Amino acid sequence: DVKVTQSSRYLVKRTGEKVFLECVQDMDHENMFWYRQDPGLGLRLIYFSYDVKMKEKGDIPEGYSVSREKKERFSLILESASTNQTSMYLCASSLSGNSYNEQFFGPGTRLTVL
Amino acid sequence: AQKVTQAQTEISVVEKEDVTLDCVYETRDTTYYLFWYKQPPSGELVFLIRRNSFDEQNEISGRYSWNFQKSTSSFNFTITASQVVDSAVYFCALSEAGPRSGGYQKVTFGIGTKLQVIP
Repeated sequence: DVKVTQSSRYLVKRTGEKVFLECVQDMDHENMFWYRQDPGLGLRLIYFSYDVKMKEKGDIPEGYSVSREKKERFSLILESASTNQTSMYLCASSLSGNSYNEQFFGPGTRLTVL
Repeated sequence: AQKVTQAQTEISVVEKEDVTLDCVYETRDTTYYLFWYKQPPSGELVFLIRRNSFDEQNEISGRYSWNFQKSTSSFNFTITASQVVDSAVYFCALSEAGPRSGGYQKVTFGIGTKLQVIP
């Protein structure tokens, strides 16, 4: 079974703090993704990575950066957290970038920025 | 541009009722894939089914069934004899098989339909 784990289920940070969200997958998947989920907006892609050290912007990359130093780990970084980044963050992975591959999701991190 | 519309934002049914979740998509590609995912209250999206654009055969898996109709660009999901454990948010998603950006073929998700099954 593919397992995607995220470092925290709930996180509370203050405006201006640097925030790290960690994601680890255990099935040697090539692709990893960060989404944010907001009511009425569904899932929006922030960044994805298709290989170690390779990354591409998704639909809403502003205010975020990512790091993938090892194949199994994909980190999302909020350089200076703001209240409008309060959201549910979902990490996912897929075997490859082919369009037929389903994605496997972690349990999510609910981030609150005060 | 690809688009997925789930017009029903919230549905409530009484246990044992049948319920259909609608999904309408837009794409210019002739080859594409459609997906359904379930997100229970625990938060983790779980893959339910994939259907490619050349396979219009309906699929049944236990109490779940899917109706894919290219003529109406719909991929609807029916739960028969609903149970409380079916309470979740359900997402429909579309992936085109055209040229990729980098190493990834973009997936577009609908906004989700929240299903509440009342005991």
